[in-house]
This record gives sequence, C-alpha cells and structure tokens, in this order.
Amino acid sequence: DTGVSQNPRHKITKRGQNVTFRCDPISEHNRLYWYRQTLGQGPEFLTYFQNEAQLEKSRLLSDRFSAERPKGSFSTLEIQRTEQGDSAMYLCASLVGGSGAFFGQGTRLTVV
Amino acid sequence: GIQVEQSPPDLILQEGANSTLRCNFSDSVNNLQWFHQNPWGQLINLFYIPSGTKQNGRLSATTVATERYSLLYISSSQTTDSGVYFCAGGGYQKVTFGIGTKLQVIP
Repeated sequence: DTGVSQNPRHKITKRGQNVTFRCDPISEHNRLYWYRQTLGQGPEFLTYFQNEAQLEKSRLLSDRFSAERPKGSFSTLEIQRTEQGDSAMYLCASLVGGSGAFFGQGTRLTVV
Repeated sequence: GIQVEQSPPDLILQEGANSTLRCNFSDSVNNLQWFHQNPWGQLINLFYIPSGTKQNGRLSATTVATERYSLLYISSSQTTDSGVYFCAGGGYQKVTFGIGTKLQVIP
C-alpha cells in the first residue's frame, strides 16, 4: 500500500453540476477525514469517519455536501449543485491511533 | 473549538541559515503534527509529536504539552525546504490546522 489515494486530481465543473470525489485510505487505517483548503489558508475540517460511521460533521458542510464510507473502506464526497465558492482543494487523510494523519494528494475543484 | 496560532506567517532565509517555527494552541491537544505542503499541494508528514522532542535529519520538533505550544526547528536550510509549514492539533476526532508559515529559502 503506497498511501492515501484521491481521485480525480483535478475537476473542472460548471456551476450547478454535481461532483463526486473518491478517497482510498491506507488499508489498515480505520479513521478517515475530509478537509477543504482555499488559497492562503490552512485546511479546514469537513467530516470524520471511524470505520463506516460518520462521527463528526463541520458546520461548513452545507446540505449540498454528503460523504459516505461504505464498509469502512474507501470514501466519497459529493457536492450537489456546485457553486463558485466551492472551488478549493479537497483533501482526504487517514490514520490509525497514535500515528498521526497521512494525507492524499488532494482533488482540486474549479467551478466555472 | 481549538484555536491554532502559527508564527511567523512569513519567513525568508538565506540558504544554510537556521530557523524556528512556533505553534500555540488555545487548549490542550491529544495529538499534534507538523506538515510541509509541497508546491503541488500535498501535505507531507514531518512529525507526529503530542509531547516531547523528535529529530529527523535537519529537522527537529519539540512539544511542551503543559504550556500548549510546539516548535519546529530547521537547521542548515536548503532551497528544497521552501513551502508552507502547518501545525495541526486536536482531540481524537477533529484536528485543527493553523494558517501556516510560508518559508522561502533563497540561494
């Protein structure tokens, strides 16, 4: 296993379209996080899974955002009816207790 | 939630110089990490250091948990050290990032 994998790396979409991103964590990691980062800012927490259970969700995550982690393996983040303000880098991280988080390369979303 | 303050926000170093980056937390944290964000946006783990001191080559980090701060030391800086350094900390569920220190190492 070579680390956390995110797909796609880049996504350009028209305003109003739906997009879905995928994250494949390190296989033995039971915790998975989604973060969003805009230019010049640090990553902002979006949501957290332990195995398949979504245990915490930021207030930043509007009703247009939904995340899943079926069977506690890969995770998907869907954004419905995208808006220009959704343009950002979406980062996924996984960890197992006591080791710290490992991040994927991110998905850069541009909404035009 | 926890507030994370990083300083300095920007730093320019001559190659070969040493530097110290600081991270302050508004509350106790159970986990703390330092990351380097490369030009392509990926966050690279530097240290997982909720307490104590660790060293890895030219980099070392110290966390004083009781005083809620952590320091990252870069010695003999190289141009490849350029980028943004983030600290992040929190509980077992949510980890909060600072806004980063943007480091530029010039030859």
